[in-house]
Amino acid sequence: SQQGEEDPQALSIQEGENATMNCSYKTSINNLQWYRQNSGRGLVHLILIRSNEREKHSGRLRVTLDTSKKSSSLLITASRAADTASYFCATEPNSGNTPLVFGKGTRLSVIA
Amino acid sequence: DAGVIQSPRHEVTEMGQEVTLRCKPISGHDYLFWYRQTMMRGLELLIYFNNNVPIDDSGMPEDRFSAKMPNASFSTLKIQPSEPRDSAVYFCASSSRGVGNTIYFGEGSWLTVV
Repeated sequence: SQQGEEDPQALSIQEGENATMNCSYKTSINNLQWYRQNSGRGLVHLILIRSNEREKHSGRLRVTLDTSKKSSSLLITASRAADTASYFCATEPNSGNTPLVFGKGTRLSVIA
Repeated sequence: DAGVIQSPRHEVTEMGQEVTLRCKPISGHDYLFWYRQTMMRGLELLIYFNNNVPIDDSGMPEDRFSAKMPNASFSTLKIQPSEPRDSAVYFCASSSRGVGNTIYFGEGSWLTVV
């Protein structure tokens, strides 16, 4: 079963705007990761944030993690048409040696 | 590195036929995962291996599905007999340094069963 639930399911913005996607999960985690999937391609890892971290940056990406609310957000600043893709959060539960659990993703469309 | 390599990229087959999907993980990675992606169910973990040994196959939908990893550089996912509801994208992925670490995905095998 999926642990991560992304919100919104779909998002459409103009180029240059910021895009914010949210992820909620149910159980305690070791880390949370965000992945990107271009149409017809495999998923690509973007960023990992550990449970003892609150915020992380990578280029135009900013990820926050609130373990008390069991939620994370991914912010893409100054979006570009090339950012059009689906974005997935994945959590590593801390209940033993358990693989990542993926959400269903947010489909982002950036309109030029 | 070449990344995770999957074949075939696309396959169309008739119901009842055997389907074999192949995967070459990234060299040195000790975990290999098979996922299935559909619009309805999203990304589902079917099975994963550690050092060529199947660890958890609870996601394999039915006995029609089987997976093997005869060596560190090759894995197969077989569906026999195939059914239309098996139509999906099947991803192979690999990772190192722990089951919950960053996963590297192949480009997927797009399966259509008619």
